[in-house]
Amino acid sequence: SQQGEEDPQALSIQEGENATMNCSYKTSINNLQWYRQNSGRGLVHLILIRSNEREKHSGRLRVTLDTSKKSSSLLITASRAADTASYFCASAGNTPLVFGKGTRLSVIA
Amino acid sequence: EPEVTQTPSHQVTQMGQEVILRCVPISNHLYFYWYRQILGQKVEFLVSFYNNEISEKSEIFDDQFSVERPDGSNFTLKIRSTKLEDSAMYFCASSGPPGQGALANEKLFFGSGTQLSVL
Repeated sequence: SQQGEEDPQALSIQEGENATMNCSYKTSINNLQWYRQNSGRGLVHLILIRSNEREKHSGRLRVTLDTSKKSSSLLITASRAADTASYFCASAGNTPLVFGKGTRLSVIA
Repeated sequence: EPEVTQTPSHQVTQMGQEVILRCVPISNHLYFYWYRQILGQKVEFLVSFYNNEISEKSEIFDDQFSVERPDGSNFTLKIRSTKLEDSAMYFCASSGPPGQGALANEKLFFGSGTQLSVL
């Protein structure tokens, strides 16, 4: 399985701090994607990084990809209370997107 | 902004009954998916659909499950004889607007889900 596995499972930080979440996967990929899920809602696509890219930015989000280690990280800078949610990575190869269990981020105001 | 809509938001059914979960994907998307999530657990792939046929399915998607795109807008998931372990949140998703070289499994748009409770 090329399932993404996020680490840590839960993260609690103060507003204004940076949050870093990590993801590992098992097989070769075409791209890796990060999604966000607010409690009881559907997933929202945040960012996609292709296998030939090493880093990508989108607003306060920064994603890195290390294909040699089969790992990715998502950094949220200057966190806000509204960033409180679960964050999932999903790796995509020649098979459907497979999600991990996610990191539950709590940003305390 | 266009969105994926799912109905109903909650469905309670008795074990052994048939349920149909309905979805209206984003209108110009080409790829359609069903995922499910048991409370607090990972999001699990069920099936993907492209060009009016199933393109991929997981081991969960056994012969009790079926999908249909009966017209140009709806995409349904049917469970013929529900089991207790089918209780989960079911998410529909779509992706791949035409004309942009869109590939499957990139930038999925998810609906808000149907919470299925099998009693």
